[in-house]
Amino acid sequence: KQEVTQIPAALSVPEGENLVLNCSFTDSAIYNLQWFRQDPGKGLTSLLLIQSSQREQTSGRLNASLDKSSGRSTLYIAASQPGDSATYLCAVSLVSNTGKLIFGQGTTLQVKP
Amino acid sequence: NAGVTQTPKFQVLKTGQSMTLQCAQDMNHEYMSWYRQDPGMGLRLIHYSVGAGITDQGEVPNGYNVSRSTTEDFPLRLLSAAPSQTSVYFCASSLRTVGSAEAFFGQGTRLTVV
Repeated sequence: KQEVTQIPAALSVPEGENLVLNCSFTDSAIYNLQWFRQDPGKGLTSLLLIQSSQREQTSGRLNASLDKSSGRSTLYIAASQPGDSATYLCAVSLVSNTGKLIFGQGTTLQVKP
Repeated sequence: NAGVTQTPKFQVLKTGQSMTLQCAQDMNHEYMSWYRQDPGMGLRLIHYSVGAGITDQGEVPNGYNVSRSTTEDFPLRLLSAAPSQTSVYFCASSLRTVGSAEAFFGQGTRLTVV
């Protein structure tokens, strides 16, 4: 059974710091991995999607990497800002690609001014 | 661009009542799914659909029914609400095409069963 783990559960950093969020999964047979952002009381916003054949994706100050063989993904946030404060979720899609996602518990990030 | 639209945003039910959570997408996505989000449990899959007329159970299907009569709509029915179904419910959709399987989520329905 695929399990997704995110460490740490919570993170507090000063503004301007570069930071890394971690996501690990137990079964390397994934179709893709997606990082989401969730603000309190809101829905999920897709940040980056990495296909199983890719190693990384970049969008602005965000960079996500994927190492399927080791079952790990990282989300790198450069020059963090208070507006980055949110919960970040990673989710894997199974190789059968039925649209089913298995989520980690999330990392709640606070960026202090 | 509407994306994925969920209604209602908030709902309070009494134990035993039934209701339908609505989900609609305007992106012609084949895949649609329902998740519930609970503190300490994360997001868990309730039901999903790979196309009109096709549905299947997810991780926590008990107490919920779904149907997919059109590509656009995927309603979730609570048959007899229980306090354990108090949660935030999210609907999601994605394309079936290889390389374009990004999932899009609605804003959620916050349900309280008393």
